[in-house]
Amino acid sequence: QSVLTQPASVSGSPGQSVTISCTGTSSDVGGFNYVSWYQHHPGKAPKLMIYDVSNRPSGVSHRFSGSKSGSTASLTISGLQAEDEADYYCSSYTSSITVLFGGGTKLTVL
Amino acid sequence: EVQLVESGGGLVKPGGSLRLSCVASGFTFSSYTMNWVRQAPGKGLEWVSSISSTGTTVYSADSVKGRFTVSRDNSKNSLFLQMSSLRPEDTAVYYCVRVLGALLGDYWGQGTLVTVSS
Repeated sequence: QSVLTQPASVSGSPGQSVTISCTGTSSDVGGFNYVSWYQHHPGKAPKLMIYDVSNRPSGVSHRFSGSKSGSTASLTISGLQAEDEADYYCSSYTSSITVLFGGGTKLTVL
Repeated sequence: EVQLVESGGGLVKPGGSLRLSCVASGFTFSSYTMNWVRQAPGKGLEWVSSISSTGTTVYSADSVKGRFTVSRDNSKNSLFLQMSSLRPEDTAVYYCVRVLGALLGDYWGQGTLVTVSS
């Protein structure tokens, strides 16, 4: 598998919650608790939002949370704010000792 | 504050070579595995290569094996990516990334653009 599967786009209104899924296989997402999520505003450095499936780095808002069920990981953003509008990528360690990224999801705040 | 600053990008012809550099500051560079990750125009992120803290272990994507070589100089807090036999599909912004664990990164640089075109 060359890329993890993410929806191309999601949207929500301010204050609402959205969830972005990331589907892999038992050789990556399903096999390890090593899934990260990144927020990327074009032209800027990607920012780590979630690591090891559900851990938030210091400084990241509690509105961001991560989970996993089987081979699908999810990023949930609650209380949507305008500044959350960005591209989001999941990433997983694999059994081949490589890294896979998702194709990216564009979040639009309506 | 962790800082990663890439340089060395530019325009190169197909078949040519280029060497990217990344200078790190704000952390003990010699203690961390480092990655190169790229993003082609309009595309998603793609992992390129990882190098262990001592430089003794390297992992690379199949798409660059035999063409790209990652290295580091811990005395200069620097990471390198030597790219050869470049192809148009190597055109991308290349990011230097500090690894948090299991080859997944936490801090990213701003990236350097490599364009492969005749």
